[in-house]
This record gives sequence, C-alpha cells and structure tokens, in this order.
Amino acid sequence: EIVLTQSPGTLSLSPGERATLSCRASQSVSSSYLAWYQHKPGQAPRLLIYGASTRATAIPDRFSGSGSGTDFTLTISRLEPEDFAVYYCQQYGSSPYTFGQGTKLEIK
Amino acid sequence: QIQLVQSGAEVKRPGASVKVSCKTSGYTFASYDITWVRQAPGQGLEWMGWISGYNGDTNYAQKLQGRVTMTTDTSTSTAYMELRSLRSDDTAVYYCARGSYYVFWGQGTLVTVSS
Repeated sequence: EIVLTQSPGTLSLSPGERATLSCRASQSVSSSYLAWYQHKPGQAPRLLIYGASTRATAIPDRFSGSGSGTDFTLTISRLEPEDFAVYYCQQYGSSPYTFGQGTKLEIK
Repeated sequence: QIQLVQSGAEVKRPGASVKVSCKTSGYTFASYDITWVRQAPGQGLEWMGWISGYNGDTNYAQKLQGRVTMTTDTSTSTAYMELRSLRSDDTAVYYCARGSYYVFWGQGTLVTVSS
C-alpha cells in the first residue's frame, strides 16, 4: 500500500498570499496518477487536479499541481477567501487508492 | 447532467448492517467504476473500494475485507455498499464517486452506529 504523507498539517496564511502544499508518497506513484481535492464541511470533496498537473474543468488557474515519482506539490498562487478548506492528495495508480491525511488551510 | 444521488441517513446498533445506495444518471453506467469513500468525524478521507459498472468486479480496502460488499443494479444504474458487523468507529459520512479520480460525487450519507 502506498502511504501518502501531506505537509504541513495546518497552514495559516492570509488572502492574497501563496500556498504551497506537499504530498510525499512512500513509493513511486505510477504514471503520475495523483489527484488533489478541496474539501469543505458539509460538502462533497471537489476535484482540483488529476494526473499530478492537469486542472479539472472549471478550476481557476491560481491552482496548479506539479511533481512526479514520490514528491508532489499543490500551489495556490494567490489565496481567495473561498480557498480556505482542507486539501487531500490521492494516488490512483496502485490499489488501494489511498488518500493523504489532509492539510488544513486556515485564515491567519 | 451527471448526478449521483445517495440514500438517506441511517442509525444502526453495533453489530448490525447498513446498505447505502447511489443512484446514477446522466452517463453510461457501464463506462465507469463507482468508488466508495468515507469520512469519520474529525478524520480524513478513507478509500473503501470500487466496483466496476461494466462487469461488477470489485476491489476492497484490506481493512474492510470480509465486512463490505459492493454491488450494482445495472437496470437502474445504481450502486450499493453494504457494511456488516458495524462498530462505533464505522460512524462516518459515506460517499460514492465516479471513476478512478473523482469529478462527480454523491451528496454523502451519514451512518451513525450507536447503542
């Protein structure tokens, strides 16, 4: 099983700042089958990025994904008030399709 | 439009079973897997497994093997997740989602296990 470790656990930033979230895998993620989700309370998660770097439909271009192998990054270039949420990475290249434990992005 | 609509909240006693449904519409059911994900209170997302909409093949998380069964009814484009021998730590919101990475999700079903 591939274990995904996200860091930091909590990130405190202000609107307008840049956010950098990390996801490290215990083994190489095949074909960069790595996705990022945004999750807000009471809602279903929202897909942001798949294939490590492809933005999902209607996702603003302030969200970008990068990385390969075992190290992946989600960057939010300029934080908007609606971006404060929990973010999860997930690998879907090797069953079980594990999630990271999440990074909480909170308003400073 | 593509929709996944789940059944309503459930309250169960420890040791009981629960079956959650996920009725899909707006796409060809056989073209995608349905995955089940859960989130316990204050915890992260947990991948539970998937079922093929094409042939019913399944792949379950090892920790749930023997307690979970995923099925489909292709005549109604509906997927089901049954969890048996419920424990208090099965209390969670259960989601269905389409595919291997998840653009489309159900609205979530709260399952509460309490004596």
